Amino acid sequence: DAGVIQSPRHEVTEMGQEVTLRCKPISGHNSLFWYRQTMMRGLELLIYFNNNVPIDDSGMPEDRFSAKMPNASFSTLKIQPSEPRDSAVYFCASSSGQVNQPQHFGDGTRLSIL
Amino acid sequence: AQSVTQLGSHVSVSEGALVLLRCNYSSSVPPYLFWYVQYPNQGLQLLLKYTSAATLVKGINGFEAEFKKSETSFHLTKPSAHMSDAAEYFCAVSRGGYNKLIFGAGTRLAVHP
Repeated sequence: DAGVIQSPRHEVTEMGQEVTLRCKPISGHNSLFWYRQTMMRGLELLIYFNNNVPIDDSGMPEDRFSAKMPNASFSTLKIQPSEPRDSAVYFCASSSGQVNQPQHFGDGTRLSIL
Repeated sequence: AQSVTQLGSHVSVSEGALVLLRCNYSSSVPPYLFWYVQYPNQGLQLLLKYTSAATLVKGINGFEAEFKKSETSFHLTKPSAHMSDAAEYFCAVSRGGYNKLIFGAGTRLAVHP
């Protein structure tokens, strides 16, 4: 079975540029989560969706960050404009949405902003 | 409010020794608890989950965890460490609807010969 697929795996870009991270959840899962992981702050939940609708975006650090889920099989996380402090590993996870079921994580996108 | 505390950000054991990673939770309702492992340059992978069916839960790679309500704990153990167990381990509790998870800060396990 295909797991959560994230692209790109690595992204290096200059500050001020727009960055778009992509995620394909596991088929049949109706909840999707975006996380950011850094050495300083650990694993942070940015935003999550249920049935393609954003439920809680309180973890999004600034207005420069936005996320969309246009359909059940695709989500994007966009940073515009990017800054060096946005450098981190960004993970996408999906789940069936039931409280006793685990989240399944992708392999992440390692983002470096120069 | 639900939360998770992992005692010890770093744990070091010898190969073949017992592994014990500690996790305490706070929850006003019966919790659903999870342990995840993260190997370098990879995402988090589910090790095991507690969903009230049994207090002793067996997971992958020889790990197990015991749910103790009286101690509000869900410690992860493995009888004999292997070099390949070196990774970061996260405890998490399920919160509310939509399966939002609250993660602990993680424990980095080092295994030395």
